Amino acid sequence: ETGVTQTPRHLVMGMTNKKSLKCEQHLGHNAMYWYKQSAKKPLELMFVYNFKEQTENNSVPSRFSPECPNSSHLFLHLHTLQPEDSALYLCASSHSPGAGYNEQFFGPGTRLTVL
Amino acid sequence: QQQVKQSPQSLIVQKGGISIINCAYENTAFDYFPWYQQFPGKGPALLIAIRPDVSEKKEGRFTISFNKSAKQFSLHIMDSQPGDSATYFCAASKGGFQKLVFGTGTRLLVSP
Repeated sequence: ETGVTQTPRHLVMGMTNKKSLKCEQHLGHNAMYWYKQSAKKPLELMFVYNFKEQTENNSVPSRFSPECPNSSHLFLHLHTLQPEDSALYLCASSHSPGAGYNEQFFGPGTRLTVL
Repeated sequence: QQQVKQSPQSLIVQKGGISIINCAYENTAFDYFPWYQQFPGKGPALLIAIRPDVSEKKEGRFTISFNKSAKQFSLHIMDSQPGDSATYFCAASKGGFQKLVFGTGTRLLVSP
């Protein structure tokens, strides 16, 4: 595997379900991100982790719970979601600040549908 | 203001033509302006980026023009090809590149 991978690629869940999205990066980066991409809206940054520590929470509802056990893995735990949470969830990684040029590399995303 | 406004929402260009996508921003503290390209089923990928100390940057057929006084920047795709058909996002950030603020995207279709 190369780059940034995400699983599952598609997920359908009910409002009372609990599910998790997984992201893995094989680029040796120390920063990881979750974004939400909805139709006709800008990509919304949700969370940023640097060296496993959360450094940014962009006022995300608590029904989204991130977890970063190490610099290569990032999870997004989902519970009691709403239909308006249906979107493409993108993971990205980069070098951390202070490491010079740190382009963000995106995974292919998980298409989430909440019924 | 953190918004980045992007236009047009969609664009159809004939093969060999020039595609132009425009973005405007409010926050004068922004100091990094990348463009991302996204194909269906893929995540966005960095295409080209510019810092405000230059007014233009060119990489192959792709050029960013930057107007600091107008707080605008644009992407020009010369000799557009069908393979350029994708959604393009402009973005901006300040110091450290981590908090990228994205535009709403432009869906480009290059007709053969």
